Amino acid sequence: GAVVSQHPSRVICKSGTSVKIECRSLDFQATTMFWYRQFPKKSLMLMATSNEGSKATYEQGVEKDKFLINHASLTLSTLTVTSAHPEDSSFYICSASVTGANVLTFGAGSRLTVL
Amino acid sequence: GIQVEQSPPDLILQEGANSTLRCNFSDSVNNLQWFHQNPWGQLINLFYIPSGTKQNGRLSATTVATERYSLLYISSSQTTDSGVYFCAVGSQGGSEKLVFGKGTKLTVNP
Repeated sequence: GAVVSQHPSRVICKSGTSVKIECRSLDFQATTMFWYRQFPKKSLMLMATSNEGSKATYEQGVEKDKFLINHASLTLSTLTVTSAHPEDSSFYICSASVTGANVLTFGAGSRLTVL
Repeated sequence: GIQVEQSPPDLILQEGANSTLRCNFSDSVNNLQWFHQNPWGQLINLFYIPSGTKQNGRLSATTVATERYSLLYISSSQTTDSGVYFCAVGSQGGSEKLVFGKGTKLTVNP
């Protein structure tokens, strides 16, 4: 079945630094990937839709300059949290589906802690 | 946008008991998935079920699209079933763009 890999699984950084999270579709090509954010004991909130070869589409209230998304190939999307602050600490999860299929597969998530 | 409500928010069971989790949604959908999030955060897809009934072992799900709800049944629950169960829906024109409910936290005690 479809496998989505995320890296790193955990990252701790200092306030003011930038952190990049990678999302890879391992055995299929994904023209579209999705980035979600989950606060402790809360639901998943869609942040943005990552489109291969074009700009990402951000949900209302999500700062595009804070959360930079690059989808440079059909198997890789990256989320960069720029100038991270403690309030950016969260669990970030990406998802993807085989083109034309509706079933979304999720990565294992990346837990970001900003000190 | 579409609203997704799950109930109950918390559920505690003894091992071997059966349970039903409910997901109500506010608009027509052409994508509905049930997920189990394990303690490490991994979301496991249980069912893709925009309509109809499916079964997989001790789990089954039914979606009545015309009445805008879905049910997840867990029979003979085991401690490994513990975790958070999410219902997520996608509507026409953006079926891959899933909106999640708040989840049901299930605890199965030995």
